[in-house]
Amino acid sequence: AQKVTQAQTEISVVEKEDVTLDCVYETRDTTYYLFWYKQPPSGELVFLIRRNSFDEQNEISGRYSWNFQKSTSSFNFTITASQVVDSAVYFCARGGGGNKLTFGTGTQLKVEL
Amino acid sequence: DTGVSQDPRHKITKRGQNVTFRCDPISEHNRLYWYRQTLGQGPEFLTYFQNEAQLEKSRLLSDRFSAERPKGSFSTLEIQRTEQGDSAMYLCASSATRTARGSYNSPLHFGNGTRLTVT
Repeated sequence: AQKVTQAQTEISVVEKEDVTLDCVYETRDTTYYLFWYKQPPSGELVFLIRRNSFDEQNEISGRYSWNFQKSTSSFNFTITASQVVDSAVYFCARGGGGNKLTFGTGTQLKVEL
Repeated sequence: DTGVSQDPRHKITKRGQNVTFRCDPISEHNRLYWYRQTLGQGPEFLTYFQNEAQLEKSRLLSDRFSAERPKGSFSTLEIQRTEQGDSAMYLCASSATRTARGSYNSPLHFGNGTRLTVT
């Protein structure tokens, strides 16, 4: 199985701190997609970003940024100046044909005042 | 813009009973997916449809599980003779694909899920 590993089970930070969530993936495919989803306590998985394997440009969206490095099979996610509303479980996922996704086990982020 | 809708939100059933869940995808989405999520884990793929055709089933989908999407719109997931190990959150997602003038495959959009508890 082509796994997605999120080694950090839980991270606690104080508001306004920067935090990076790690994601390492396995793949035998040359073409694939990587995703990050947020799952707040309400349970709905909220799509954050998708990158394809041919695009290693880092991306920034507001306080969120993503660092895709094919050489290390990593797709890390950084939240700058974290806020309490960022508290959630964050999932990294890998997808191939058909959009069938393989998810990591998630990282619980707790942002405290 | 309505998202993916799932019904019911919660279901408590006794072991051995049958249960059925419903998913209404985003209206213009032709692909529909079922995932299962247990506590502390990421979602696991169960099956997916393109229009009314079921294109792939995971080995997780035992013969007690059946999914349908009869008219290519909403989908149902039925679990027969439920077991305690079936207790989980069942998530539905949908996406859009287009192949005219180049392929396009939108990200998956998930519903709120149906939480099943088997007692």
